[in-house]
Formats: sequence, C-alpha cells, structure tokens
Amino acid sequence: DAGVIQSPRHEVTEMGQEVTLRCKPISGHNSLFWYRQTMMRGLELLIYFNNNVPIDDSGMPEDRFSAKMPNASFSTLKIQPSEPRDSAVYFCASSPGLGRTNEQYFGPGTRLTVT
Amino acid sequence: GNSVTQMEGPVTLSEEAFLTINCTYTATGYPSLFWYVQYPGEGLQLLLKATKADDKGSNKGFEATYRKETTSFHLEKGSVQVSDSAVYFCALSDRDTGNQFYFGTGTSLTVIP
Repeated sequence: DAGVIQSPRHEVTEMGQEVTLRCKPISGHNSLFWYRQTMMRGLELLIYFNNNVPIDDSGMPEDRFSAKMPNASFSTLKIQPSEPRDSAVYFCASSPGLGRTNEQYFGPGTRLTVT
Repeated sequence: GNSVTQMEGPVTLSEEAFLTINCTYTATGYPSLFWYVQYPGEGLQLLLKATKADDKGSNKGFEATYRKETTSFHLEKGSVQVSDSAVYFCALSDRDTGNQFYFGTGTSLTVIP
C-alpha cells in the first residue's frame, strides 16, 4: 500500500507567487483532510472533504487559500498570493470515512518556504 | 466544545526509563481517543487508539487506557529506547462534531543512551 502521497515534498517560492500543493489519498478512503503545522500554532485543521465534498473549511485562514477535490484520488491546496507567514509544513491525511472510530493516515507533508 | 490538553514538554529520559505522557480531554459527545507519533521530518503515524471507556490501546510497548471518569488517556511505556525519540500527539474524534480530529499540542520526547 502506497499510503498518502503528497507533492512536492519541499517548495520554496517568493512572496506573491501562487503555490499548489497536491495530495493523493489512500485508495478507497472517503475522507480527506488538510492540516498546517508550525512551531507557533502547532497542528491546525484547514479543511476536510467527505466523498469529494467540502464539509468544513472554517480553518482556512483567509481567501488566499483554496482547496479542491475533483475526484476521489486527488486534492489540491492552493495559496494565491503566497506570503512569508504561510511558511509551514502542510499535511494531507485520509480516512476510510467520518466514523467515530476511524483513524486518519497522514502523508509525509510538504515543507513550504515563502521568502 | 472539544479539546485535548497534553503535558508540556520537552521530556528527556534515559534509555530504559519509564515514560508517562499525560493527556486529558473535553468532549461534547462520546469520543474515540488516539495517540499519534511524529518522527523528525515525517508525517504523523497512528500509535494506538481506544474507542470506548476502559479500553486499552497498545502497540510497540506503548499503552494507554480510556478513562471516562477522569477524562484521561495517558500514554505509558515501561522501558523507552533511543528510537522512541519523537513528538507524541494525543487526539480525539467526536461524532457530535463531524468526527474531525482535535489534536493536542504535542509532547517532544528525547531518549538519551
């Protein structure tokens, strides 16, 4: 089993540029989550999907952030325009569903640096 | 609302020492409880879980018991190894809030030889 796949693993970009992070969930999983991790704020849930539909995007920091899930095997998180304070590690996680007992499986993360 | 509180780190132990990392929670419903581990440069990995009161989750020598009366899920290991050095996260999932996860702030553990 390949696990959750994220790309790129590292991204360095200049302020104002558009950044797109990609995620492929585990096959057969119906729920997908995007998190951001920083030293100051810890692990924050940004948005999550169930059956490709966004369920809760209240964690998205502002309109510069958007996420899509066009099909069951692919999701993107886009930042436009990027700012230095967006520098963080972004994790994607998937789960078999939103059942109370279901664990989440995390990808390796994308380390984003905005200069 | 839902929240998880973990003991502050960092924690430094000698090899073969006993480990306890405290975790308490508040939840609106009847949550499932989880411990995740994050090794440097990696994503979070599930370490163990418990889905109902008095359940004990265990894996790789780690244990945690779901204590509803004290709203706690403390992580323990009898004899830590250098390879256990990582950050440990306690988390809950609650049906009343759409089963999204609520994570604690993480506890960094360093085990020295």
